[in-house]
Amino acid sequence: AQKVTQAQTEISVVEKEDVTLDCVYETRDTTYYLFWYKQPPSGELVFLIRRNSFDEQNEISGRYSWNFQKSTSSFNFTITASQVVDSAVYFCALREYGNNRLAFGKGNQVVVIP
Amino acid sequence: EAGVTQFPSHSVIEKGQTVTLRCDPISGHDNLYWYRRVMGKEIKFLLHFVKESKQDESGMPNNRFLAERTGGTYSTLKVQPAELEDSGVYFCASSPSTGELFFGEGSRLTVL
Repeated sequence: AQKVTQAQTEISVVEKEDVTLDCVYETRDTTYYLFWYKQPPSGELVFLIRRNSFDEQNEISGRYSWNFQKSTSSFNFTITASQVVDSAVYFCALREYGNNRLAFGKGNQVVVIP
Repeated sequence: EAGVTQFPSHSVIEKGQTVTLRCDPISGHDNLYWYRRVMGKEIKFLLHFVKESKQDESGMPNNRFLAERTGGTYSTLKVQPAELEDSGVYFCASSPSTGELFFGEGSRLTVL
């Protein structure tokens, strides 16, 4: 069974601070995919990143970076120098190979205070 | 290119009434998914269409929920009769044969 845990529910930071969102996953499959989605106030889920289980290389995209640690089953997400526009709910998700459904965590509500 | 569109964006109904949510996927996407987020909980899978066929409907909560995708284009999700616990945001997503899911803005359902 696939499961995703995002322990922090709401995180408030002052603008320009860094914020890290934790994601821990469970799966029995050796091949799987991990995702992060952003849900801004407008409501849609915006795809941010997909990571394959066999690629542990960390990734940086602008102010966003992701740290994939298979040994601890974690796929953490860091926003550097946060901005007010980063205020949103962020979801971590897992999809096992051969399975079309995504398993989501409960989401992290990030509030960036100007 | 238009994204996944959902209608209505918000629906408020009374317990016992019927509501139909609609999803228009991205043109050419064979795969269509319905997900639901109940307040404060995870986004949960409901079902998956491949063209007009239900590939996986194991996430549908009960027989008050009926999803259709006639002709393999848009899909509808009907809740009849609605109960209080059906309140939440219903997301639709589509994807090509292989690839990422593109989500719509969601339809918020409030059952009073």
